[in-house]
Amino acid sequence: EAGVTQSPTHLIKTRGQQATLRCSPISGHTSVYWYQQALGLGLQFLLWYDEGEERNRGNFPPRFSGRQFPNYSSELNVNALELEDSALYLCASSLDPWGGGYEQYVGPGTRLTVT
Amino acid sequence: ELKVEQNPLFLSMQEGKNYTIYCNYSTTSDRLYWYRQDPGKSLESLFVLLSNGAVKQEGRLMASLDTKARLSTLHITAAVHDLSATYFCAVDMNGQNFVFGPGTRLSVLP
Repeated sequence: EAGVTQSPTHLIKTRGQQATLRCSPISGHTSVYWYQQALGLGLQFLLWYDEGEERNRGNFPPRFSGRQFPNYSSELNVNALELEDSALYLCASSLDPWGGGYEQYVGPGTRLTVT
Repeated sequence: ELKVEQNPLFLSMQEGKNYTIYCNYSTTSDRLYWYRQDPGKSLESLFVLLSNGAVKQEGRLMASLDTKARLSTLHITAAVHDLSATYFCAVDMNGQNFVFGPGTRLSVLP
């Protein structure tokens, strides 16, 4: 069974540009979570999508947005990039959490560097 | 506001020894997760603990949850070098609030 995949592996952008990160969940998983791991800030919850809907978002500005497609894959967009957006962005997927599918499987991550 | 603390933040231990990492959280939660992260790598899910008194074991690692004390422990038995990594706990309130601890960096020395 294929795990969670993320693309690209590395992304280099300049300040003010937009970045798009992509995530494909494990087949059958309906929930997708995005996390940011920035140096010095630890791991922070960004967004949770389930069945195409945004269910919750962490304490991030609106320039962090995303969506979940009908095939449950997801996209994270970061607009007006700032230097402090440089981080490892992790995507995780799970089965329906309300149905007890709590275990999250985490992808390899996208390392975003903003110069 | 949900806060998650881990203790210790850094741990250096000898191979063959036992030790425990503690994870405290500030409010009622639905689930507690433990993850492992190797340097430069992603997170590996270790355990999900759902209820008071839950105990799970995998190899030399055993995790437990005491929801009344708002405390989870990750116990390491007879540590080996391969266990060297950073361990994170995370607390979830039905998806409404998912907060990670700061991580415990474990080094197992020969």
